[in-house]
Amino acid sequence: IQMTQSPSSLSASVGDRVTMTCRASQSVSSYLNWYQQKTGKAPKLLIYGASSLQSGVPSRFSGSGSGRDFTLTISNLQPEDFATYYCQQTYGAPFTFGHGTHLDIK
Amino acid sequence: QVQLVQSGAEVKKPGSSVKVSCKASLDTLRRFSISWLRQAPGQGLEWVGRINPNNGGTNYGQNFQGRVTMTRDTSINTAYMELSGLTSDDTAVYYCARVISTSSSRHADFWGQGTLVTVSS
Repeated sequence: IQMTQSPSSLSASVGDRVTMTCRASQSVSSYLNWYQQKTGKAPKLLIYGASSLQSGVPSRFSGSGSGRDFTLTISNLQPEDFATYYCQQTYGAPFTFGHGTHLDIK
Repeated sequence: QVQLVQSGAEVKKPGSSVKVSCKASLDTLRRFSISWLRQAPGQGLEWVGRINPNNGGTNYGQNFQGRVTMTRDTSINTAYMELSGLTSDDTAVYYCARVISTSSSRHADFWGQGTLVTVSS
C-alpha cells in the first residue's frame, strides 16, 4: 500500500493552524497513524486509529479521515511543533509510511 | 514506565551481517508485538518487519525478505534483528518499537533510542 503525503514541506508561524494530508493507494480503514519526528530523535506517536489522540499529546493535534484520505491538523502552532510528520498505514503488511511533511518556521 | 533500550552503534563491511538487540522492560515481549524500522540518513521511515507475542511469529517487509531474521528471548526480555548481505544502502538508524493492537488500530507507542548501523569498506 503506497502512502502519499502532501505537502512535502510547509512553512507557518507560531499561532497558525496547519493541515497536512495523507492518501493511501487503497482503503486502510482507520489503520492510520501520525508520528512527529525531530532531528536526531525517535518518532513520537501523535494520533492512532486515524483520530485517537495518544496519551500526553496536546489537544491542538487532531486527526481525521477513513478509507483512503486522512488529515492531520495542528491548531495554534507552538515552537516545539516544528518538525517532520509521517503518516503510516498498519492495515496490511508491510506497514508503509508516507515520505513526510517537513514543517518549518516562516 | 515502558523502556526499550537498543544496543550500540555498529560499523560493518559490505557482505557481512549485523545483529541489533532491543531490551524491553517488564513483560513487553510476551504481551506486545515488536516492530523494527529504519531510517537512512536524510530519508524517511521504512518498516522492516515485526515479531509477534504469541508464538514469536514474524512478518518481514518485501525489501528484506531472505535477508532479515527477527527473534526474541523472553527470558531476558530482549528482541533481536539480524540483517545479512549488508550493502551501503543498509546504512541507517534502526529502531525497535512496541506495537499496540486493538480492534481498530495498530500503532507503535514506545520506541527505542535507535542504533546506527554504518556499512562501509
